[in-house]
Amino acid sequence: DAGITQSPRHKVTETGTPVTLRCHQTENHRYMYWYRQDPGHGLRLIHYSYGVKDTDKGEVSDGYSVSRSKTEDFLLTLESATSSQTSVYFCAISEWGSSYNSPLHFGNGTRLTVT
Amino acid sequence: GQQVMQIPQYQHVQEGEDFTTYCNSSTTLSNIQWYKQRPGGHPVFLIQLVKSGEVKKQKRLTFQFGEAKKNSSLHITATQTTDVGTYFCAGQIYGGATNKLIFGTGTLLAVQP
Repeated sequence: DAGITQSPRHKVTETGTPVTLRCHQTENHRYMYWYRQDPGHGLRLIHYSYGVKDTDKGEVSDGYSVSRSKTEDFLLTLESATSSQTSVYFCAISEWGSSYNSPLHFGNGTRLTVT
Repeated sequence: GQQVMQIPQYQHVQEGEDFTTYCNSSTTLSNIQWYKQRPGGHPVFLIQLVKSGEVKKQKRLTFQFGEAKKNSSLHITATQTTDVGTYFCAGQIYGGATNKLIFGTGTLLAVQP
């Protein structure tokens, strides 16, 4: 498996609190992604990064922000968590962009529950 | 918005039976990828198809990309209990923003020994 570590693996938080999820890679890949997985929706892209300090929105970016200050770390922040953000969050990396025959390698996921 | 639909959502088979999942896009795709996710696990890349009408095989798995590049299928011959999991297709929209794969909703395969 690709060297991807997500932390924490599980988190329970209250509505309105800020939450930061971390993705750390040891592969030196340029591209990093945050997806959320919900029943009936598959995997939906939240944000992605194509380099240090270079990020772009995905299809479900409202309520989320990201930062990438180092190649190896990609942070996902929920500024004020809501119950609709209860989900499993996956980080993924790819050597090249996902459109260039470059598969995504996923981390083990973070299960977030917002009460 | 642009969608990639998969059918069926769930399939239960007896070990040894065949299985097929279908993926359909509302728009033309430049390529399509397939992933497998074991229960409680993370998605793992299986294969990518790029050419119109392309067929690729991996042991008992056969992947096809439609002539119009709007649909794809994954066929498993003689299923085994190790095939249990959810299979996702993921399409790159032709002419769309790069690096934004659209995942299908997935097909959960259950295999009874």
